[in-house]
Amino acid sequence: DQQVKQNSPSLSVQEGRISILNCDYTNSMFDYFLWYKKYPAEGPTFLISISSIKDKNEDGRFTVFLNKSAKHLSLHIVPSQPGDSAVYFCAALKNTGNQFYFGTGTSLTVIP
Amino acid sequence: SAVISQKPSRDICQRGTSLTIQCQVDSQVTMMFWYRQQPGQSLTLIATANQGSEATYESGFVIDKFPISRPNLTFSTLTVSNMSPEDSSIYLCSGRDGNYGYTFGSGTRLTVV
Repeated sequence: DQQVKQNSPSLSVQEGRISILNCDYTNSMFDYFLWYKKYPAEGPTFLISISSIKDKNEDGRFTVFLNKSAKHLSLHIVPSQPGDSAVYFCAALKNTGNQFYFGTGTSLTVIP
Repeated sequence: SAVISQKPSRDICQRGTSLTIQCQVDSQVTMMFWYRQQPGQSLTLIATANQGSEATYESGFVIDKFPISRPNLTFSTLTVSNMSPEDSSIYLCSGRDGNYGYTFGSGTRLTVV
């Protein structure tokens, strides 16, 4: 039962343009959401998070938007850089536990 | 945030053998977790490693197959026992450092032949 879904397995964007990565979830008990970036042969690295009491969180070039009614979150990267090329995972946490629920990841390629 | 050293980074093992994966954290973390990522799938939680007591396993995972130890707040091991090719996956440990401060090891890529 995939409670967190990333429906786009891959995305290609020109350098300098905006990258938008999407994530949908099904469980209304999720109250904290995170984005991780993963390079080959490395573990996931935390990127940005958002609590369910907010609808937007910004950190430099990275902004995460949360639409609770649609059970949807997105990660915007502006401007995209070649070093952003990696696999991006969204993850969700329930307000009652410690288990991550990860999406299957979106592979982002930023073309110079 | 905490830094986790995980080893081995990869291994190729014979069917029927066991492999122990280690994670060492450079600071104390309140909780540690073990995940598996099978090809083409997302990370799946295997268990929560509890200090000084038996790990808490998720549905579909059992202690006999994946024994876990956590003798202190900075170290944990996961053993994949009696391996079969279906166990070929990436195994990842994670530590929770304060509220929502999660860090990950670099992963172990296991191939069972």
